[in-house]
Amino acid sequence: DAEITQSPRHKITETGRQVTLACHQTWNHNNMFWYRQDLGHGLRLIHYSYGVQDTNKGEVSDGYSVSRSNTEDLPLTLESAASSQTSVYFCASSALRQGNEQFFGPGTRLTVL
Amino acid sequence: GENVEQHPSTLSVQEGDSAVIKCTYSDSASNYFPWYKQELGKGPQLIIDIRSNVGEKKDQRIAVTLNKTAKHFSLHITETQPEDSAVYFCAASLNTGFQKLVFGTGTRLLVSP
Repeated sequence: DAEITQSPRHKITETGRQVTLACHQTWNHNNMFWYRQDLGHGLRLIHYSYGVQDTNKGEVSDGYSVSRSNTEDLPLTLESAASSQTSVYFCASSALRQGNEQFFGPGTRLTVL
Repeated sequence: GENVEQHPSTLSVQEGDSAVIKCTYSDSASNYFPWYKQELGKGPQLIIDIRSNVGEKKDQRIAVTLNKTAKHFSLHITETQPEDSAVYFCAASLNTGFQKLVFGTGTRLLVSP
């Protein structure tokens, strides 16, 4: 069955370190998204991509970057981790033409000490 | 840009009662309104959605209503069951293949046996 996976599921890192969160989907979806989830803020969009070599900034993109070298993967990189980036991160994907449903991964809980 | 407000933040009901969650949006151009359910430790999952050419949509015990004039939409769950306990998110977007969803802050629903 097609799915979307994230790794690692849990990560503890130190302030200033570079961290990369992986997202992999097997639906062959064109659209991929990264969100962060914080209490009281819901889900906020970090970056998104509409296809290979396409990336766009969301509402909370400062300190994050993404790259899209193939259809299946959209890794999220924290260039220099900060305590304010402690959060739960969700990746999602959707098809370009099959309505708007976004399929979410299981999430990565990141703690920056 | 779009802004989505969601109320209440927490909702406790007895099994068998009805639950209503309300959202308002700011951008009159938005025309797609999905609802997601998030169970503990999992990613959000679409449960129902409505497009702006429809005022109401039902799927078994859940229904969504949309008032475009007032720019608000609501989720109704009837005959609630303990397994309905979860966090529910509303969202809004333009109904195109390149959709970006703007999420509300979430409602934690607790259904007591």
